[in-house]
Amino acid sequence: NAGVTQTPKFQVLKTGQSMTLQCAQDMNHEYMSWYRQDPGMGLRLIHYSVGAGITDQGEVPNGYNVSRSTTEDFPLRLLSAAPSQTSVYFCASSSPGAGSGYTFGSGTRLTVV
Amino acid sequence: DAKTTQPPSMDCAEGRAANLPCNHSTISGNEYVYWYRQIHSQGPQYIIHGLKNNETNEMASLIITEDRKSSTLILPHATLRDTAVYYCIVGGSNYKLTFGKGTLLTVNP
Repeated sequence: NAGVTQTPKFQVLKTGQSMTLQCAQDMNHEYMSWYRQDPGMGLRLIHYSVGAGITDQGEVPNGYNVSRSTTEDFPLRLLSAAPSQTSVYFCASSSPGAGSGYTFGSGTRLTVV
Repeated sequence: DAKTTQPPSMDCAEGRAANLPCNHSTISGNEYVYWYRQIHSQGPQYIIHGLKNNETNEMASLIITEDRKSSTLILPHATLRDTAVYYCIVGGSNYKLTFGKGTLLTVNP
């Protein structure tokens, strides 16, 4: 049982490049979310999904796209990377209902130069 | 979702109970109180949650006041490994949680 797996763990991009941050969970969780965390800050919600084929925007969605074609995977796409997107990105998943806490991945550290 | 207020930092002696307060005076009737912690730069870890009643699990206890405007997370016997940022979050659903800056708990030997 791997939980929530994020790849890559580290990435350096040049401004304007695109890339996809991968997130996979093996717990059959319906809910998945992407957060970013900047130094000294709490986590901010980028996008979330309540099931396959259903996604919605969070607090800071600009510059990011998501899709949810399967229950297991929830990739985050940066279309044209900017230095302001330098951050640590966390993916999380949970089951419906308040009784389930989120399981977070170990994060992807992204630097845009 | 209701906002929360937490002290930015707290200290605790190893082996003693750590009591972390959280104010959430605008909480609505269907909103839960969640607690997470983040150790160093790892992903946050779910600790406990509650609606009205006090809750206890293997990690901690959650005490919610009768008016639900504040709560306290209790780590009964803090260890050095409990040094982390603790987040108190209020929300009606568990897929759209809003994290604040949390409380940095430092457990001292």
